[in-house]
Amino acid sequence: GAVVSQHPSWVICKSGTSVKIECRSLDFQATTMFWYRQFPKQSLMLMATSNEGSKATYEQGVEKDKFLINHASLTLSTLTVTSAHPEDSSFYICSAAHEQYFGPGTRLTVT
Amino acid sequence: DAKTTQPNSMESNEEEPVHLPCNHSTISGTDYIHWYRQLPSQGPEYVIHGLTSNVNNRMASLAIAEDRKSSTLILHRATLRDAAVYYCILRDGYDKIIFGKGTRLHILP
Repeated sequence: GAVVSQHPSWVICKSGTSVKIECRSLDFQATTMFWYRQFPKQSLMLMATSNEGSKATYEQGVEKDKFLINHASLTLSTLTVTSAHPEDSSFYICSAAHEQYFGPGTRLTVT
Repeated sequence: DAKTTQPNSMESNEEEPVHLPCNHSTISGTDYIHWYRQLPSQGPEYVIHGLTSNVNNRMASLAIAEDRKSSTLILHRATLRDAAVYYCILRDGYDKIIFGKGTRLHILP
């Protein structure tokens, strides 16, 4: 079946630095991908919709200048957390193919 | 998205059937009922979906009430690997998914 991968699976970065998370569709093309954030013991929260060749659509309350999304090809979307702070530590998950397929998630820890 | 209501948590014994309920009294005629599950430290996994008729696949069965205001996800024989958070979601076509709190299923050995 279709697979969505994420890289890295986990990352630790220092406060104030930026970190990039990749989401790839491995055997299908995805014009639209979705990015979620999940804090411990909580549900997934939709952050933004990533559209190939155009700007991402952000959910209310999500800072577009802090969470930069680039969907440069039909198989790759990237989420860059800029000037990361400890409160950005979370589990970041992407999905594709009308959200039938989810990536394994990336655990970000900001120290 | 129309809202769904699920119990916060449930327990079941291993190798027994599990019935996970979901209420969606404000469902519209074009809403499909989707179920996803999330194992610990993993991304969500699609389980099953349906519109009006009951559905079966290799993972589970979905029983939909005649008035569509509730549904039940049935795991026929629970294993320890079925311990997860199960999300019942209504979707009209390919609308973006909004996750609720789901039901945390504990499987007792």
